[in-house]
Amino acid sequence: GAVVSQHPSWVICKSGTSVKIECRSLDFQATTMFWYRQFPKQSLMLMATSNEGSKATYEQGVEKDKFLINHASLTLSTLTVTSAHPEDSSFYICSASSLWSSYNSPLHFGNGTRLTVT
Amino acid sequence: SQQGEEDPQALSIQEGENATMNCSYKTSINNLQWYRQNSGRGLVHLILIRSNEREKHSGRLRVTLDTSKKSSSLLITASRAADTASYFCATDETGANSKLTFGKGITLSVRP
Repeated sequence: GAVVSQHPSWVICKSGTSVKIECRSLDFQATTMFWYRQFPKQSLMLMATSNEGSKATYEQGVEKDKFLINHASLTLSTLTVTSAHPEDSSFYICSASSLWSSYNSPLHFGNGTRLTVT
Repeated sequence: SQQGEEDPQALSIQEGENATMNCSYKTSINNLQWYRQNSGRGLVHLILIRSNEREKHSGRLRVTLDTSKKSSSLLITASRAADTASYFCATDETGANSKLTFGKGITLSVRP
């Protein structure tokens, strides 16, 4: 159980275009989803926390107009990288916290999306 | 901001040997978690230890937590080539609402 599906697994786009990444909880309801960014051989850096039905909370230094997050349902959150540039190329990973989990429960991660902006 | 700091950064061992990875952190936590990441993939949860626990086992994994020293260790016994991956500790800070802060990770290579 507790499967998180992230789509697409990889995407190549041209500079200036926008890319949408989906994160779905397949067999549980996720009140909270987290979006991370990971550069090669580095740690995961939290970008934003999204709660269903409310605006996302962005970490310091993350441009909310650049990285649009929508969490319209308990099973789906999307991250849109707007007007992508080569420096946005990275590995983006989502994770979800179950509606029924306590604060001592692990997060469930998607398999990540490799974004390459040319 | 970075919370967990693992060491070593890279570890190479022979199959069958034990691998010990350490993690230090800075703030008060609800729990500390270890995750594994295969190259280019998402993270897989390995084990969670709560702040009031000192040791926990799961199969070939043993994790310890010393809140007085703000440190944790992950021991993988009888390592296998398939254990080759990056390992991250992550802390769930008190009051952070399940928001995890990850360390830089340890790259483990197990030679067959």
